Amino acid sequence: AQSVAQPEDQVNVAEGNPLTVKCTYSVSGNPYLFWYVQYPNRGLQFLLKYITGDNLVKGSYGFEAEFNKSQTSFHLKKPSALVSDSALYFCAVRSSFRGSTLGRLYFGRGTQLTVWP
Amino acid sequence: DAGVIQSPRHEVTEMGQEVTLRCKPISGHDYLFWYRQTMMRGLELLIYFNNNVPIDDSGMPEDRFSAKMPNASFSTLKIQPSEPRDSAVYFCASSSSHRNTEAFFGQGTRLTVV
Repeated sequence: AQSVAQPEDQVNVAEGNPLTVKCTYSVSGNPYLFWYVQYPNRGLQFLLKYITGDNLVKGSYGFEAEFNKSQTSFHLKKPSALVSDSALYFCAVRSSFRGSTLGRLYFGRGTQLTVWP
Repeated sequence: DAGVIQSPRHEVTEMGQEVTLRCKPISGHDYLFWYRQTMMRGLELLIYFNNNVPIDDSGMPEDRFSAKMPNASFSTLKIQPSEPRDSAVYFCASSSSHRNTEAFFGQGTRLTVV
């Protein structure tokens, strides 16, 4: 079964400090992994994705994520957090397996990131 | 492209009334998803279509909910009759069949049933 876990409901960090938002996944076949951000009263916005190749992927707004196949993880990171990064972050996975769930994105429950000044 | 367009942005209705939410996906996308977001349950997939055909509707909560996609550029999610517990933000998203592409979300419809 396909699934995504975001073990932390909330992450709090001081501005200027590095941040990490954790994500682990379970999927049949090779995973396609995504991070989305949601600001209040807005839809989900795409941040970055891992499809293949370099395990470290870079995305919008200075975010990056590291794919770790052995740990089935895809943690979101940023070297220096900004107050404006405060938002709800979702990890998602899509399976490469050509089965009945082809095309479907599985989302985690989301992690609320708060960056204080 | 204007992105995924949902209407209305806000809907307030009385219990028992029919509600219809609308979505226009990005042109050329062949997957369309309907999600519901609440504080209690987070982001739930209700149903998704591929080439206008429903693939998985197991997330539709009950028979009061129905979704259609009569053509590649339009989909509706209907609730009849609506109940207060249906109050949520409903998102539509679309993506391409190329598996390395991300899904794009609309701004959502905030539904309040009183």
